[in-house]
Amino acid sequence: AQKVTQAQTEISVVEKEDVTLDCVYETRDTTYYLFWYKQPPSGELVFLIRRNSFDEQNEISGRYSWNFQKSTSSFNFTITASQVVDSAVYFCALNQGGKLIFGQGTELSVKP
Amino acid sequence: DGGITQSPKYLFRKEGQNVTLSCEQNLNHDAMYWYRQDPGQGLRLIYYSQIVNDFQKGDIAEGYSVSREKKESFPLTVTSAQKNPTAFYLCASSRITGGAETQYFGPGTRLLVL
Repeated sequence: AQKVTQAQTEISVVEKEDVTLDCVYETRDTTYYLFWYKQPPSGELVFLIRRNSFDEQNEISGRYSWNFQKSTSSFNFTITASQVVDSAVYFCALNQGGKLIFGQGTELSVKP
Repeated sequence: DGGITQSPKYLFRKEGQNVTLSCEQNLNHDAMYWYRQDPGQGLRLIYYSQIVNDFQKGDIAEGYSVSREKKESFPLTVTSAQKNPTAFYLCASSRITGGAETQYFGPGTRLLVL
């Protein structure tokens, strides 16, 4: 069965700290896609990144970076020099056949 | 502006009442989806539609119904058969279904039972 686990329910950091959000997935398929979404207090899910199973290259976008490791079935997300505006719930998701399977989410609180 | 709109933002349902949540997109996407989010949990798929006049059940379709008469619109009805409807409902769309396509989400509707 396909499954996404985000073991960290809540994380609290002080502004400018680096923080890593963990995501572990389970799937039997060789072709799949992984996503990260951000859900600010307003509720709307904001797309951050998509990664396919054949591309293990790490990606950096500004203060955000993602580390995909197929060997450990992980797709971790790091925010460098966190800011208060980063406070939100972050979801990792696995897409197979058009259906998104979400993790439970990690609530990140960045304090000034 | 291109995007997905959901209305209303808040909706109150009385016992035994059916209510309909609206979802409209102007992204020219073929596929549309409805998800339910409960507090502290991830999203679960209710229904999805790949094309006009066709839709499929997701993981938690019981107590819900949908229609897809127009490409732009995918309304969700929460029927009286749904015994625990209080939740946050999110609509999404993508160009097509399939693993490679990114789903984009609307702002959500919060449903509360009186």
